[in-house]
Amino acid sequence: EPEVTQTPSHQVTQMGQEVILRCVPISNHLYFYWYRQILGQKVEFLVSFYNNEISEKSEIFDDQFSVERPDGSNFTLKIRSTKLEDSAMYFCASSSKRDQPQHFGDGTRLSIL
Amino acid sequence: QQQVKQSPQSLIVQKGGISIINCAYENTAFDYFPWYQQFPGKGPALLIAIRPDVSEKKEGRFTISFNKSAKQFSLHIMDSQPGDSATYFCAASAGGTSYGKLTFGQGTILTVHP
Repeated sequence: EPEVTQTPSHQVTQMGQEVILRCVPISNHLYFYWYRQILGQKVEFLVSFYNNEISEKSEIFDDQFSVERPDGSNFTLKIRSTKLEDSAMYFCASSSKRDQPQHFGDGTRLSIL
Repeated sequence: QQQVKQSPQSLIVQKGGISIINCAYENTAFDYFPWYQQFPGKGPALLIAIRPDVSEKKEGRFTISFNKSAKQFSLHIMDSQPGDSATYFCAASAGGTSYGKLTFGQGTILTVHP
């Protein structure tokens, strides 16, 4: 069964550094998402991406965050200057249509020191 | 108004018992209600989903009950098994201009004792 794959599984970064989280969505999917989950809390929506542009974003997704689909297979989340409170599990998801089920990757655990 | 409230936070059930997790929402624009199952170290995996044109959907041991007037929906796991021990999240999204943004509940940690 096709999967969403995320790399790395764990990223440790110093506060203030830039970090890029990578995702390979399912190949025929057109809608892409990033969510985050702070330890012990619920999953929170960050951003949705369709047709090479952001279609929706949450208040969490401020100017420090950006997303990109640099080629036909990868989907990335960049945090420009990381803060301690960015420590969380980041999940990428994709779907074939916007009203179809979203399939999640296993996440990247981001630890900011 | 965007919140989805989920209860209980944790649930302990004996093998063979019925697990029931409840969710409530306020936003009447929500029209898609999935349940996700998450094991430690893994991403959420879609379990079952419902749209408001039906009041119940069953897939194997998993059933969603949906009450549109009360703005509530619940997950029932029949004949619960130790392998069902996981965190369960309800979620909701709105159609129309939404691009599929999911709003999640707080999660329920289910433990099924053998």
